[in-house]
Amino acid sequence: GIQVEQSPPDLILQEGANSTLRCNFSDSVNNLQWFHQNPWGQLINLFYIPSGTKQNGRLSATTVATERYSLLYISSSQTTDSGVYFCAVGTGKLIFGQGTELSVKP
Amino acid sequence: ETGVTQSPTHLIKTRGQQVTLRCSSQSGHNTVSWYQQALGQGPQFIFQYYREEENGRGNFPPRFSGLQFPNYSSELNVNALELDDSALYLCASSLLPAGNTIYFGEGSWLTVV
Repeated sequence: GIQVEQSPPDLILQEGANSTLRCNFSDSVNNLQWFHQNPWGQLINLFYIPSGTKQNGRLSATTVATERYSLLYISSSQTTDSGVYFCAVGTGKLIFGQGTELSVKP
Repeated sequence: ETGVTQSPTHLIKTRGQQVTLRCSSQSGHNTVSWYQQALGQGPQFIFQYYREEENGRGNFPPRFSGLQFPNYSSELNVNALELDDSALYLCASSLLPAGNTIYFGEGSWLTVV
């Protein structure tokens, strides 16, 4: 089956810093999503981005499907950005990566 | 708030017992999927229900079973609980066949002792 790998596994930032999270996948996909899991466990859908680039406020994402990777950019990070970021591929049955745990310090 | 609600939020069970977790899907959504998330791991797909029938299953034993009701709400049942079943159980709702947006509930934290 498809393998999804995320890097880095952990990231500590000072408030205001920028960061890039990476998601590699082992086979071609037609569906890729980024999620943020808050400390209470809820997964929030950030982007549905099978290809191309999208932006939503301080967050943006780019997927290069032909090279099998996606990037999530967080600019001017805030403490509320802390949590675990997951990418997931698939339709219906989502295959998740192991996540990147982000901690933003004030 | 996504509109997907799960209950209970936390529960503790003894090994060998049975548990039922419940999920109400987002209004207008007809599909419910269940995921198990162990500590420090990404969610793992258990199964999906579409129009009250199982529509795909992950690598979980038969003691994990489910139901979907006519109002699209769903239950996850786990029999003969094992210590390794301790995890966060997440319910997600979506709209098939065309919908791409998937909404997750806040999850049910299960501890098996």
